[in-house]
Amino acid sequence: DAGVIQSPRHEVTEMGQEVTLRCKPISGHNSLFWYRQTMMRGLELLIYFNNNVPIDDSGMPEDRFSAKMPNASFSTLKIQPSEPRDSAVYFCASRGTSGGGNGYTFGSGTRLTVV
Amino acid sequence: SQQGEEDPQALSIQEGENATMNCSYKTSINNLQWYRQNSGRGLVHLILIRSNEREKHSGRLRVTLDTSKKSSSLLITASRAADTASYFCATDDTGGFKTIFGAGTRLFVKA
Repeated sequence: DAGVIQSPRHEVTEMGQEVTLRCKPISGHNSLFWYRQTMMRGLELLIYFNNNVPIDDSGMPEDRFSAKMPNASFSTLKIQPSEPRDSAVYFCASRGTSGGGNGYTFGSGTRLTVV
Repeated sequence: SQQGEEDPQALSIQEGENATMNCSYKTSINNLQWYRQNSGRGLVHLILIRSNEREKHSGRLRVTLDTSKKSSSLLITASRAADTASYFCATDDTGGFKTIFGAGTRLFVKA
C-alpha cells in the first residue's frame, strides 16, 4: 500500500492566487480528513468526510477555503484567494473505520508558502 | 479549550534512558491514540488504547490510560537517537467522528 498520497509536496505562490491541494486516501478507508499545522496553532482539523460526504467543516477558517471529495479515491482542498497567513503544512489523513479502533494514516503533507 | 494536552512540552534525555510523556483530556472518550512526527513528515500512528483498557504495549512503547483522571502516559523504554521526534496524543470523542490532537511533546534523544 502506497499510503496516503498528497500533492504537491511544496507549493510557493503569490498572494491572491488560487491554490489546490490534492489527496489520495488509502483504498478502502471511508473517512478522510484535512488538517493544517503551524507552529503557533498546532494541528487544526479543517474538514472531514465520511463516505465522500462532508460531515463537519466548522474548522475551515474562511469562505476562501473549500474542499471536495468527488469519489472515494480523491479529495481536494482549495484556497482562493490565498493569503500569507495561509502559509502552513496541510495534511490529509484517512481512516478505516470512522471513530473505530483504528488510527489515522497521514500523508506527507503539502508545505504551502504564500508570499 | 484544547482536548489532549501533552506534558512536558519538551524533553531531552540520553540514549538508553526511558522517556515518559503525559496527556490529559477533558471529555469522555472512545479511545486515545499516540502519534510520532519526525521533522518535516506526517504523523505516524503508534498505538491506540480503548477507554475500557488500562495498559497496552507495543515493542518499546507502553501506554497507560486512567479514565478517572482523564490522563494517559506514553513510556518509551531504552530510547534511541532515532526516537527523536514530536509525540502527540489524540482523543476520539464518544460521538466517534471527531479526533482532537494535542500540541505535542518534543523529544530529543542525545546519542
